[in-house]
Amino acid sequence: DADVTQTPRNRITKTGKRIMLECSQTKGHDRMYWYRQDPGLGLRLIYYSFDVKDINKGEISDGYSVSRQAQAKFSLSLESAIPNQTALYFCATSDHGTGDEQYFGPGTRLTVT
Amino acid sequence: DAKTTQPNSMESNEEEPVHLPCNHSTISGTDYIHWYRQLPSQGPEYVIHGLTSNVNNRMASLAIAEDRKSSTLILHRATLRDAAVYYCILRDRGSGNTPLVFGKGTRLSVIA
Repeated sequence: DADVTQTPRNRITKTGKRIMLECSQTKGHDRMYWYRQDPGLGLRLIYYSFDVKDINKGEISDGYSVSRQAQAKFSLSLESAIPNQTALYFCATSDHGTGDEQYFGPGTRLTVT
Repeated sequence: DAKTTQPNSMESNEEEPVHLPCNHSTISGTDYIHWYRQLPSQGPEYVIHGLTSNVNNRMASLAIAEDRKSSTLILHRATLRDAAVYYCILRDRGSGNTPLVFGKGTRLSVIA
């Protein structure tokens, strides 16, 4: 089984809809991250969390919110989706105690029409 | 975090060595040099990291210039599976381990 899982893997939604992307990990890591990737570009950080009670904005947090429900779960919400949020979304985890190498999930491809 | 500069793309023949360069002239003393790669349709994966000395692991080698203003990721024998985007990232361990900041990376093509 994969260490970092993301659901759904693909989603098509309409403008104005609320949508939640979920991330779960079985690695026991304390840190979790959400990135988005647009075609031909690198990853940009949306939000990150260093433990259950910690939430931090990344460089492109506008239009997004997150919830760290447990150490193993970190969800990303788009309150009112818009077409320019169409992208590939990646969740990642790391453990500060063991070198902080980041492990990425398989990604969620989101299309907003 | 200090900025890195990488070529947009590189090409290699299969089974030949590949040297992927990265310039980081504003690197600070506490910046580690990390390399990740992203295979097609997958999330990024860790390749290697180092501070001052050259590093080797099962995937690659990292050669760091003596002044630390540049580094080179070395794939000893490129395979078709190594075709990916390679990201060189600086990470300041002295600032509480901030998240990775990805640039556009180098797209490596491997020719059979």
